[in-house]
Amino acid sequence: QVHLQQWGAGLLKPSETLSLTCAVYGGSFSAYYWSWIRQPPGKGLEWIGEITHSGSTKYNPSLKSRVILSVDTSKSHFSLRLSSVTAADTAVYYCARSIYYNSSGSFDPWGQGTLVTVSS
Amino acid sequence: EIVLTQSPGTLSLSPGERATLSCRASQSVTSNYLAWYQQKPGQAPRLLIYGASSRATGIPDRFSGSGSGTDFTLTISRLEPEDFAVYYCQQYGSSPLFTFGPGTKVDIK
Repeated sequence: QVHLQQWGAGLLKPSETLSLTCAVYGGSFSAYYWSWIRQPPGKGLEWIGEITHSGSTKYNPSLKSRVILSVDTSKSHFSLRLSSVTAADTAVYYCARSIYYNSSGSFDPWGQGTLVTVSS
Repeated sequence: EIVLTQSPGTLSLSPGERATLSCRASQSVTSNYLAWYQQKPGQAPRLLIYGASSRATGIPDRFSGSGSGTDFTLTISRLEPEDFAVYYCQQYGSSPLFTFGPGTKVDIK
């Protein structure tokens, strides 16, 4: 049973860099792809990007200029950095496993979520 | 970019009733690469359906997905108390790689 546990700073000032890490327990890290998704308070879901165990990445074009995903296979961890944050980046950030059943991509399971608030 | 629209915004039903949720795409979804999620307050979303009609592991058979092209449906055959939640559809394959609909809230009538 795969379990994702995430952590990182929850309060940032405008222009700072958001940094979150997600640890994968109980399953193969190398066999899957790993994603970050966010959800502003009371709103819908937005995919941020995806990374493989070898470090290959895909990003949402709307965030690509500010996002860096990285991976540490020795620890089964993957991380998100989002630079130059503003109040619009206030959201619950989730890590999740990207799965491709019959080539159809979806997310399962998800981390517990981290509320990141950007405020001066 | 494929835009997903979900209707209704809110569905008010009683336990035991049938729920029918709609997800419409602005363009045809690649090979029916559409998923559905359930989200309860304060929790992460949970995968229910992938590939438009396949149930994820552990999902009760009262949940079913159907549709193709631009029109997809999630049906809950008989609502249980734990099914009152927000439901999101999600497509895969078109840039951006993954997009979500705005959600449908199923609440107790």
